[in-house]
Amino acid sequence: DIVMTQSPDSLAVSLGERATINCKSSQSVLYSSNNKNDLAWYQQKPGQPPRLLIYWASTRESGVPDRFSGSGSGTDFTLTISGLQAEDVAVYYCQQSYTTPHTFGQGTKVEIK
Amino acid sequence: QVQLVQSGAEVKKPGASVKVSCKASGYTFTSNYMHWVRQAPGQGLEWMGIINPSVGSTSYAQKFQGRVTLTSDTSASTVSMDLSSLTSEDTAVYYCGRARGSSWFEAADFWGPGTLVTVSS
Repeated sequence: DIVMTQSPDSLAVSLGERATINCKSSQSVLYSSNNKNDLAWYQQKPGQPPRLLIYWASTRESGVPDRFSGSGSGTDFTLTISGLQAEDVAVYYCQQSYTTPHTFGQGTKVEIK
Repeated sequence: QVQLVQSGAEVKKPGASVKVSCKASGYTFTSNYMHWVRQAPGQGLEWMGIINPSVGSTSYAQKFQGRVTLTSDTSASTVSMDLSSLTSEDTAVYYCGRARGSSWFEAADFWGPGTLVTVSS
């Protein structure tokens, strides 16, 4: 199985500041036939299902604010929240869909400093 | 609008089985695969498997192989997840999540609200 490791486990950021979450996969999730990374980012708030933010490592899902951006390729990926808002307090997960099982990272809890 | 409606909470005894259903609406049911993911209390997300609702083909996480069965009823636009030989470690919220497209490799763009399954003697 591909192991997804996120860092940090939690972070506290002041309102309006940048939050950066890293995700590392134990093997490349770059699909060579279309040059796309099978890597997604989700946001989950307490008592709610996950919400898709980013797919293919850097494509923002419809309706997601543009302060959320994804980058990276191969085995190393980053989710950036530029200008943290109060409503962004949540746990964030990366997930690979390159191969089954579609493993998730352990999650990163984002709080307001 | 896309909606995924899941069946209600369940309480089961150890060794029993549980079936959770997920009824889809607002899109062409057979055009998108469906994921199942669970979350134990206070824990992270765990992927269980995926089904092609059109033909019923499936892929399961090895951890659940032999205990989980995903099925599809195209006439009812419903996918179901059966989990057998329950233990307390299966206590979790179970989610269905619609894959973005008709492939094994798509992320889930719409999710059901979750179904709490509690396993307790």
